Amino acid sequence: EDKVVQSPLSLVVHEGDTVTLNCSYEVTNFRSLLWYKQEKKAPTFLFMLTSSGIEKKSGRLSSILDKKELFSILNITATQTGDSAVYLCAVSSEKLVFGKGTKLTVNP
Amino acid sequence: KAGVTQTPRYLIKTRGQQVTLSCSPISGHRSVSWYQQTPGQGLQFLFEYFSETQRNKGNFPGRFSGRQFSNSRSEMNVSTLELGDSALYLCASSLAAGIGYTFGSGTRLTVV
Repeated sequence: EDKVVQSPLSLVVHEGDTVTLNCSYEVTNFRSLLWYKQEKKAPTFLFMLTSSGIEKKSGRLSSILDKKELFSILNITATQTGDSAVYLCAVSSEKLVFGKGTKLTVNP
Repeated sequence: KAGVTQTPRYLIKTRGQQVTLSCSPISGHRSVSWYQQTPGQGLQFLFEYFSETQRNKGNFPGRFSGRQFSNSRSEMNVSTLELGDSALYLCASSLAAGIGYTFGSGTRLTVV
């Protein structure tokens, strides 16, 4: 059965810290890995990764995929209180399979 | 362009009733998928439709069903509601399976 595991499940940091969120997966027919940020209701799209070793960046956020070791990381540098959210990792195969998410709390 | 629209936003139903939720995808998107989100189980895949055909189904009982219309709008139906069906139901649209999914704001269903 397809499986996505995220770690840690929760994380509390201070503003300005750098955090790394992890996502490992076991799926058949891998198509892509996606990261989402969920603050209240709708998860908002961050990144889609399909190729190993190519870093995707958007401002202070970056992500990379390792298809050999079957994992991805999401880095957030110089965290701000507005980064507080649940970060979801999902893998697209025949369907979209989500991890349980990492709840990030950034304290001022 | 307009995002994914889900209606209603909130719903309260009694055990045993049935409910229909609606999802209008982004214009041009032909794939619509549905998810149930609960605190304990996280986001779980319900089913996906593409061009009016169900392409995939998650591990949910037959009480959960859906359909997609020719304009790509989709509906999800849950019959004989149980307390455990209380959840946030999210739908997502995409151009095709495996290509970035955009989520709607969800329908919060409470079963009492």
